[in-house]
Amino acid sequence: DAGVIQSPRHEVTEMGQEVTLRCKPISGHNSLFWYRQTMMRGLELLIYFNNNVPIDDSGMPEDRFSAKMPNASFSTLKIQPSEPRDSAVYFCASSTSWDRSIIQETQYFGPGTRLLVL
Amino acid sequence: AQKITQTQPGMFVQEKEAVTLDCTYDTSDPSYGLFWYKQPSSGEMIFLIYQGSYDQQNATEGRYSLNFQKARKSANLVISASQLGDSAMYFCAMRSSYGQNFVFGPGTRLSVLP
Repeated sequence: DAGVIQSPRHEVTEMGQEVTLRCKPISGHNSLFWYRQTMMRGLELLIYFNNNVPIDDSGMPEDRFSAKMPNASFSTLKIQPSEPRDSAVYFCASSTSWDRSIIQETQYFGPGTRLLVL
Repeated sequence: AQKITQTQPGMFVQEKEAVTLDCTYDTSDPSYGLFWYKQPSSGEMIFLIYQGSYDQQNATEGRYSLNFQKARKSANLVISASQLGDSAMYFCAMRSSYGQNFVFGPGTRLSVLP
């Protein structure tokens, strides 16, 4: 079975440009998560969706960041305009169903997108 | 508030030896789960093992086992017979029935020496 697919794997862009990161979750998974990983802050949850609906976006840094999930098999994370401090590895993860009553449910991560904003 | 502590920024182990990576947690929730992930240099996050707070036995998955000490709030990962491919960052994470999200620790970088 295919795991979580992310594209692109690497992105280099200039400050002020728009960046779009893409994610395809594992088929049958109903929950999708976007994380950012930096040396200084570690892994941070940006936003997550249940059944294509955003549930918690409190981790989204600011209005420059937006995420969508138009259907069960695709999500995007957009940064506009990008800034050098956005340079990080962005992970997408999915799980069967992210529910408080199912603690043992784990998340499966994609390979990540390494973003460098010059 | 929930918190995960991994006090070992880096660890070295000789190939074929066993190694223990420490993880302590803080939560007031009675029901929670603890997870370990491996992140090799290629960058992906790989799920290794899970331990539930009410599980009676320590979790095991192949060469990975969890030394779960609930009273001490620790969930240390034990890797037996280390291999060169075990060199990676290892993250401990937790979620509870009250908290909605994963809480990750800062990670431990393990280096396996030939």
